[in-house]
Amino acid sequence: GDSVTQMEGPVTLSEEAFLTINCTYTATGYPSLFWYVQYPGEGLQLLLKATKADDKGSNKGFEATYRKETTSFHLEKGSVQVSDSAVYFCALSQEGRRALTFGSGTRLQVQP
Amino acid sequence: AAGVIQSPRHLIKEKRETATLKCYPIPRHDTVYWYQQGPGQDPQFLISFYEKMQSDKGSIPDRFSAQQFSDYHSELNMSSLELGDSALYFCASSLRLALSSYNEQFFGPGTRLTVL
Repeated sequence: GDSVTQMEGPVTLSEEAFLTINCTYTATGYPSLFWYVQYPGEGLQLLLKATKADDKGSNKGFEATYRKETTSFHLEKGSVQVSDSAVYFCALSQEGRRALTFGSGTRLQVQP
Repeated sequence: AAGVIQSPRHLIKEKRETATLKCYPIPRHDTVYWYQQGPGQDPQFLISFYEKMQSDKGSIPDRFSAQQFSDYHSELNMSSLELGDSALYFCASSLRLALSSYNEQFFGPGTRLTVL
């Protein structure tokens, strides 16, 4: 079955540092890929998405490129802020009305 | 913009009791998904509905059931509650595929269920 693997956290960075959270997937066909963010005590918010190979999703300074050759969708941000502290989930969805398959989540802690 | 609404936001039950969680999708969304997120875990898919019919089934226990009504809202019914059912339960909705080429799901704030 489909699966998503994320780097383990927590990831602790200083403000303005560069962020990379690795995500790789195993899936048949051509799934859509997503990054969701969960702030403390809140629900899941879609951060960015990509629906086909070489697509780059971007939002709020975060970027991720759909790499089919390496089955990866790594999340990057050039300069993190304290307000970016949250748990980040990589997820995929197959075509059709299919459920999301989530990775285990990576907690990001940004220190002032 | 309207978002997914879930009620109640918090629920405390005793073991062996029953609970009903409600989800109101974004207007015109016809697909509803239920997920369970245990403490420190990733969300696990339970069940989904499209046009009031069950469309996919995940790791939903037999003690749980769900349905989608004519107004597209959905209810998750949980019986014989166990301590391990304590979790955050998310509902998500998605747009008709004819209008969207990918399955972007919009999540509600969740219902936190505590079983004592």
